[in-house]
Amino acid sequence: KNQVEQSPQSLIILEGKNCTLQCNYTVSPFSNLRWYKQDTGRGPVSLTIMTFSENTKSNGRYTATLDADTKQSSLHITASQLSDSASYICVVSETGANNLFFGTGTRLTVIP
Amino acid sequence: EAQVTQNPRYLITVTGKKLTVTCSQNMNHEYMSWYRQDPGLGLRQIYYSMNVEVTDKGDVPEGYKVSRKEKRNFPLILESPSPNQTSLYFCASSRGQLRSSYNEQFFGPGTRLTVL
Repeated sequence: KNQVEQSPQSLIILEGKNCTLQCNYTVSPFSNLRWYKQDTGRGPVSLTIMTFSENTKSNGRYTATLDADTKQSSLHITASQLSDSASYICVVSETGANNLFFGTGTRLTVIP
Repeated sequence: EAQVTQNPRYLITVTGKKLTVTCSQNMNHEYMSWYRQDPGLGLRQIYYSMNVEVTDKGDVPEGYKVSRKEKRNFPLILESPSPNQTSLYFCASSRGQLRSSYNEQFFGPGTRLTVL
């Protein structure tokens, strides 16, 4: 069964610290993996999109990694800021189909 | 400014009263989707459209209808809303299908619907 699981469900960190969010998936055949940031009450915003052949992609202080062999991805946030407080959603798509598989997200809270 | 707009942003209605949530994008995108987001369940796709007059069911289509008469608009219709359709709804658009990594998906601001 195609699934996407994210961990932890929630995370609280101090401003300025780094953190890493995890995404494990069983989707096959794999096409691409996306990370989104969703502020409370707003629509998700794309952070990174990675294909099978990419194992790292950065967007400012956000760096996503992908290990297609173990079907794991992580999102690393460097020097966190209060504005990083949001939910982070991992989405995996299938090759040759129009199916998207969404994780339930990690709720990150950055405190001063 | 490139964007996806939805209206209304908030709606409280009663069971059985037909309603339409509008969605419009100004990026000339071919692919559009509707999602609902519920606590603990994440985003689930309701319907999608690959182009004008081409629509298809997503994971949770029951109780919803859509139409795609124009490229820019993709309204979501609830013919007879029920309390279990109380949710946060998002419209999204992309240049093409999301199995291609070249197609970034843009989301609207959301519509919070309460059905009493």
